[in-house]
Amino acid sequence: GAVVSQHPSRVICKSGTSVKIECRSLDFQATTMFWYRQFPKQSLMLMATSNEGSKATYEQGVEKDKFLINHASLTLSTLTVTSAHPEDSSFYICSAPLTGYGTNEKLFFGSGTQLSVL
Amino acid sequence: AQKITQTQPGMFVQEKEAVTLDCTYDTSDQSYGLFWYKQPSSGEMIFLIYQGSYDEQNATEGRYSLNFQKARKSANLVISASQLGDSAMYFCAMRKGYGGATNKLIFGTGTLLAVQP
Repeated sequence: GAVVSQHPSRVICKSGTSVKIECRSLDFQATTMFWYRQFPKQSLMLMATSNEGSKATYEQGVEKDKFLINHASLTLSTLTVTSAHPEDSSFYICSAPLTGYGTNEKLFFGSGTQLSVL
Repeated sequence: AQKITQTQPGMFVQEKEAVTLDCTYDTSDQSYGLFWYKQPSSGEMIFLIYQGSYDEQNATEGRYSLNFQKARKSANLVISASQLGDSAMYFCAMRKGYGGATNKLIFGTGTLLAVQP
């Protein structure tokens, strides 16, 4: 089945530093990927849509300068949390749609990244 | 605007019994997709089942089936013969249409299922 790899699974950093999270589609190409954020015991909230070869589309209320997204290739999207602060601590998870006949364009998710900013 | 509602914050079920997790949705679109995902404590999102708005038959995937009632805008998940490993958070989600950015999912608030031995 389709696999989306997300790395790292857990990161602890100091306030003010930047953290990069990678999302790779391992056995399929994804021109679009999605980044979600999940606070404890809450649902997933879409942050942005990552587009290969063009700028990301951010949801309302999400700071584009804070959460930098780069879709470098058809299999890789990165999310960089710049100058992280404790309030950025959260679970970040990416997803990519599997396209093609018969796939129903199902979305597959990475395993998520737990970010803790101290 | 699209919206997904899961009214059951938590549920218990006895092992080997069936359980239904409720999901209702609101959309004015004709073309959409409905998904169920399982999220165990490890955090990963595991795809369970998909139902397209034009699909006439209810989707089934092993022990999972989706009770799709389009007129009522409901897409309940039925898990048959519950297993201890089914204990997890379950999210209902909706996608608007097909292709590109429309593939983004809107999630419900989730239902925490606990399977008791």
